Amino acid sequence: AQSVTQLDSQVPVFEEAPVELRCNYSSSVSVYLFWYVQYPNQGLQLLLKYLSGSTLVKGINGFEAEFNKSQTSFHLRKPSVHISDTAEYFCAVSEGGFKTIFGAGTRLFVKA
Amino acid sequence: GAVVSQHPSWVICKSGTSVKIECRSLDFQATTMFWYRQFPKQSLMLMATSNEGSKATYEQGVEKDKFLINHASLTLSTLTVTSAHPEDSSFYICSASGAGGSTDTQYFGPGTRLTVL
Repeated sequence: AQSVTQLDSQVPVFEEAPVELRCNYSSSVSVYLFWYVQYPNQGLQLLLKYLSGSTLVKGINGFEAEFNKSQTSFHLRKPSVHISDTAEYFCAVSEGGFKTIFGAGTRLFVKA
Repeated sequence: GAVVSQHPSWVICKSGTSVKIECRSLDFQATTMFWYRQFPKQSLMLMATSNEGSKATYEQGVEKDKFLINHASLTLSTLTVTSAHPEDSSFYICSASGAGGSTDTQYFGPGTRLTVL
């Protein structure tokens, strides 16, 4: 069975500092991996996804993530965050692109 | 591309009434639609998966008679909360896959905030 662990429930960071949001997964087969962002009282917006190919994936808003198969990780990074990046971030995994399992979420709080 | 809408964005109803939430894929045909429930400060909980023209598949613990799902077309799915009670108050989010002919990614609607008085 699949599972997703987001290691940090909250990540406070100062504006213009780099950030990494950690995500580990477990699965017995090949998976697709996703990062979504959710702003208050809104749905989820796709930041980026890994399906196959290059393990470094670039997404919207300057975010990128690296798929590490040996460590079963898919950490999300941004070199310089903005106040507007304050939101909830969800890592997700699916097997074959069907049923998707979400992590518990990481609250990124960017401080001025 | 790959835009999903939900209507209404919020609804307040009295206990015992039924509420219908619509989910539409605006610019693609959704082979599969998903309904999630999200409690405050928590992750998404999958309620059910539906394919156009067939019965929805409900997750364990989700009452199919209470949460009626209809997927009448490739662009519309509806969730009806029947005889709603205060404990049904939640944020309901739908998603759809099938954009670009691929099922590998889900695209989410903006969510519907349901408050049952």
